[in-house]
Amino acid sequence: IQMTQSPSTLSASVGDRVTITCRASQSITNYLAWYQQRPGKAPKLLIYDASRESGVPSRFRGSGSGTEFTLTISSLQPDDSATYFCQQYSSFSLTFGGGTKVEIK
Amino acid sequence: EVQLLESGGGLVQPGGSLRLSCAASGLTFSRYAMSWVRQAPGKGLEWFSYISDEGGSTHYADSVRGRFTISRDNSKDTLFLQMSSLRAEDTAIYYCAKGGGVGAAARFEFWGQGTLVTVSS
Repeated sequence: IQMTQSPSTLSASVGDRVTITCRASQSITNYLAWYQQRPGKAPKLLIYDASRESGVPSRFRGSGSGTEFTLTISSLQPDDSATYFCQQYSSFSLTFGGGTKVEIK
Repeated sequence: EVQLLESGGGLVQPGGSLRLSCAASGLTFSRYAMSWVRQAPGKGLEWFSYISDEGGSTHYADSVRGRFTISRDNSKDTLFLQMSSLRAEDTAIYYCAKGGGVGAAARFEFWGQGTLVTVSS
């Protein structure tokens, strides 16, 4: 299953609403996760099964099902500067999207 | 607190072998599936290996099948990756991750900090 993320980079201001899209090449129901990776750090789980991981700020929201999914950051914060990856776990081989780098203007 | 600590990375020549370890603490290791994910320099994430909680089921990406072997020792709370016939394109940071698999909640719940493997002559 191919995972296609867009955009590959985005630049937004603090307080902006940001949306990242992830499309699957076939239906994955809602077996999708989102990860945040800051430079030089390991990825961190944000969202899975359309639910926020414990401890993740409420400004992060995942939605979608089937083949189209979105990660929304409702009010961008300086700490959100990172690369975000989607990942499907509907079937092996597990696959990631190419990533979206979020920069703060 | 859950901790996953990878070790064993380093510089290896093409065609060589290397064994990575991932020591787990802060969790009942034997209850969880585990995976290996890698990231080439400046690139995205690539899952390539999974092992079930008791080690009875394994899966590999095509890119490593037949060259890499995942295993675990639940008595020592440790995950392993035996890599052989290494290629330049295997150069990456190698992460162990708690979880993986398919179906509801089969996400990578927690990641180690990674160990760098460089394949070069």
